[in-house]
Amino acid sequence: DGGITQSPKYLFRKEGQNVTLSCEQNLNHDAMYWYRQDPGQGLRLIYYSQIVNDFQKGDIAEGYSVSREKKESFPLTVTSAQKNPTAFYLCASKVRDKEAAYGYTFGSGTRLTVV
Amino acid sequence: KNQVEQSPQSLIILEGKNCTLQCNYTVSPFSNLRWYKQDTGRGPVSLTIMTFSENTKSNGRYTATLDADTKQSSLHITASQLSDSASYICVVSGSRSGGSYIPTFGRGTSLIVHP
Repeated sequence: DGGITQSPKYLFRKEGQNVTLSCEQNLNHDAMYWYRQDPGQGLRLIYYSQIVNDFQKGDIAEGYSVSREKKESFPLTVTSAQKNPTAFYLCASKVRDKEAAYGYTFGSGTRLTVV
Repeated sequence: KNQVEQSPQSLIILEGKNCTLQCNYTVSPFSNLRWYKQDTGRGPVSLTIMTFSENTKSNGRYTATLDADTKQSSLHITASQLSDSASYICVVSGSRSGGSYIPTFGRGTSLIVHP
């Protein structure tokens, strides 16, 4: 079955530590996205990539980094510069519906907690 | 500034009852509007998508409406089931030059269905 796989499902980070969240898709989608979700807030865009070897900052990129070396993979690194990283992180890729409108397929998310 | 406002913030209903969720937006230029269902600890799953020319779309017990003039949408759930307990997110995409689409996410309505 095609889809997006995020791992791990739960991740704990110590103060000052970098951690990497994995996102893999087998949908052959060109575009991939990372969102952060906090309680009571809408999803906020961290980074996105329209093609391999290219990515753009979203609204809240500070303290995060990404790479897009392969079409299938878009890992997100949460660096020690991100002062409040505890959140639910969602990876998404872009689909094209039969209505010719663009929508998103989401992974199951990674819950990151600072300990 | 593009905004998507959803109401109510939370809703509790009894199993078998109907309910309606609201979404108001100021995204311009408008491309499409989607409703997503997000179960706790999971990624959002698309329920419906509507473009400018559509004013109603059904998916089983879910019916979405769109009034592009007033920039309002609603999601009506008929004969609610316990499995309908989730957060419902309204996402409005605006078109950009170059053919890209950037979505604006609402904060979601948390629906709880009690037996």
